[in-house]
Amino acid sequence: ETGVTQSPTHLIKTRGQQVTLRCSSQSGHNTVSWYQQALGQGPQFIFQYYREEENGRGNFPPRFSGLQFPNYSSELNVNALELDDSALYLCASSGGVGTQAEQYFGPGTRLTVT
Amino acid sequence: AQRVTQPEKLLSVFKGAPVELKCNYSYSGSPELFWYVQYSRQRLQLLLRHISRESIKGFTADLNKGETSFHLKKPFAQEEDSAMYYCALRVYNQGGKLIFGQGTELSVKP
Repeated sequence: ETGVTQSPTHLIKTRGQQVTLRCSSQSGHNTVSWYQQALGQGPQFIFQYYREEENGRGNFPPRFSGLQFPNYSSELNVNALELDDSALYLCASSGGVGTQAEQYFGPGTRLTVT
Repeated sequence: AQRVTQPEKLLSVFKGAPVELKCNYSYSGSPELFWYVQYSRQRLQLLLRHISRESIKGFTADLNKGETSFHLKKPFAQEEDSAMYYCALRVYNQGGKLIFGQGTELSVKP
């Protein structure tokens, strides 16, 4: 069984640029959630995708967008990067959206915006 | 408002001492609470969930709805327990998202 993987590991971008982060869900999982973890903070929910549809969204502006593909992998896109977007971005996959669906986290992508 | 509070950023104890990591929540519905742990250079992983009422690695946590708390306890800390611990609340709207506290770093000294 393959765990959740994310790419790239680290990324440095300039303010105003756009970035795409990628996540491969664990085998058999159809749901992917994205979280932003700023330094010294707990993860904060960005949005969730279930069977290729957005299934919930946190308090993030529209320049944060995502996709889920038929193989349930997912992308997080951030446009017009700001310095405050510097954070660790975590993706978590689960086998559904019910209360029994444990979320399995990836190692994260560290984004630095200069 | 939905919120999880972990009042201690750092908790330092000696090996063999009891440990209690505090977590308080604010949620109008029926809460579903979790403790996640992140060991050094490892990914975030689930430690335990209140509905399972289980003990994992000697840790237990009891949901106290009256005090809106879900404190994590272990009677005798081990050095390998040193890690970041996050309390999380699952809310049923918005895809069952997790709301995390700020985390408590547990340091167990020999």
